[in-house]
Amino acid sequence: GEDVEQSLFLSVREGDSSVINCTYTDSSSTYLYWYKQEPGAGLQLLTYIFSNMDMKQDQRLTVLLNKKDKHLSLRIADTQTGDSAIYFCAESTGEAAGNKLTFGGGTRVLVKP
Amino acid sequence: ETGVTQTPRHLVMGMTNKKSLKCEQHLGHNAMYWYKQSAKKPLELMFVYNFKEQTENNSVPSRFSPECPNSSHLFLHLHTLQPEDSALYLCASSQEPLGGGGYTFGSGTRLTVV
Repeated sequence: GEDVEQSLFLSVREGDSSVINCTYTDSSSTYLYWYKQEPGAGLQLLTYIFSNMDMKQDQRLTVLLNKKDKHLSLRIADTQTGDSAIYFCAESTGEAAGNKLTFGGGTRVLVKP
Repeated sequence: ETGVTQTPRHLVMGMTNKKSLKCEQHLGHNAMYWYKQSAKKPLELMFVYNFKEQTENNSVPSRFSPECPNSSHLFLHLHTLQPEDSALYLCASSQEPLGGGGYTFGSGTRLTVV
């Protein structure tokens, strides 16, 4: 079955790097995503990685994918107070899964000044 | 207007009321979704519509009734709700087959049942 797990909470000092980790169980995942949710708002797509890649960088964001261990991480460089939010990872197994994303429970990131 | 728009943003209703949540997407997507997000619980997928046809109903109580008149609009009709139904209801859309764009979410409707 599909299961995506994340740690619940991360506290980081402003200016430091944040690393949010995620594990998933479905080895046939085609895309993996990171979403950000700010208070009172919906989920915003931050970045994604295709399953044949092991790294993707987008400005302050770096996504690492270890398919062997089914481990996904999101690194935020130079973390700012505006990065305080809940971060969700999600996996898609493509058409076979009927276009459905499976989300983790979310990691609440608190950035301290 | 672009993206996924949900109305109203906030809703307070009594347990005997009937209300509807509305979702509209201007992205040309062909799939739409309703999610429930409660405090301290994971996102719960409620309903999935592909090309206006319901393809998934995750054992949602009948007091929640979805309607998808076309690929751009999705409604969630509510009646005789319970206090535990208070939550943030999120609508999302996507293009099938799913690619790097993932789902696009609306800002949600914060529902309080009193």
